Amino acid sequence: DTAVSQTPKYLVTQMGNDKSIKCEQNLGHDTMYWYKQDSKKFLKIMFSYNNKELIINETVPNRFSPKSPDKAHLNLHINSLELGDSAVYFCASSQDWAGSNYGYTFGSGTRLTVV
Amino acid sequence: GQQLNQSPQSMFIQEGEDVSMNCTSSSIFNTWLWYKQDPGEGPVLLIALYKAGELTSNGRLTAQFGITRKDSFLNISASIPSDVGIYFCAGRVFQKLVFGTGTRLLVSP
Repeated sequence: DTAVSQTPKYLVTQMGNDKSIKCEQNLGHDTMYWYKQDSKKFLKIMFSYNNKELIINETVPNRFSPKSPDKAHLNLHINSLELGDSAVYFCASSQDWAGSNYGYTFGSGTRLTVV
Repeated sequence: GQQLNQSPQSMFIQEGEDVSMNCTSSSIFNTWLWYKQDPGEGPVLLIALYKAGELTSNGRLTAQFGITRKDSFLNISASIPSDVGIYFCAGRVFQKLVFGTGTRLLVSP
């Protein structure tokens, strides 16, 4: 049973489209995150939610909007996709906002390609 | 913002060799973590360090939290082909985990 699952695994779309990536965790964790991994494999945090409340919002364009319907789900909606949005997006979760004891558990990623 | 620099950027070694990689920062971190990422997968936690000077092992892996709280190293002993992947250090400050630039490890059988 996958702990942090993301869908879809691959997403190819045209510039200007709107798309969503879904994430669910079955670990009972309170905090969920979105990270972006660029072509050089650099991982950068985008958002963090604790019990459905936004706690971290890094410098991310307004076109990216996270939504957390409950603490087990954190979805990422992207409007007006641009070529530079192409990357691998990882969802992660941690027991609490401090990520104490066990760090973060990551999903297997969504590879987004904008053409 | 905070940046973690890892070295070396990549390593190509023979099976059975020991490997050492490190991570340095200009900022102090409260926790250091080491992750491994296999192709097509998300990072998986290997070792977590919570106190300056702490030395922790997990099987063939050993990691240390630097005394200055600005660095950490990871050693892998007697490498095997399945050690191939990208190793990331990560430092936690407050609510955020900041990742290093990664060390790509290749192991020749």
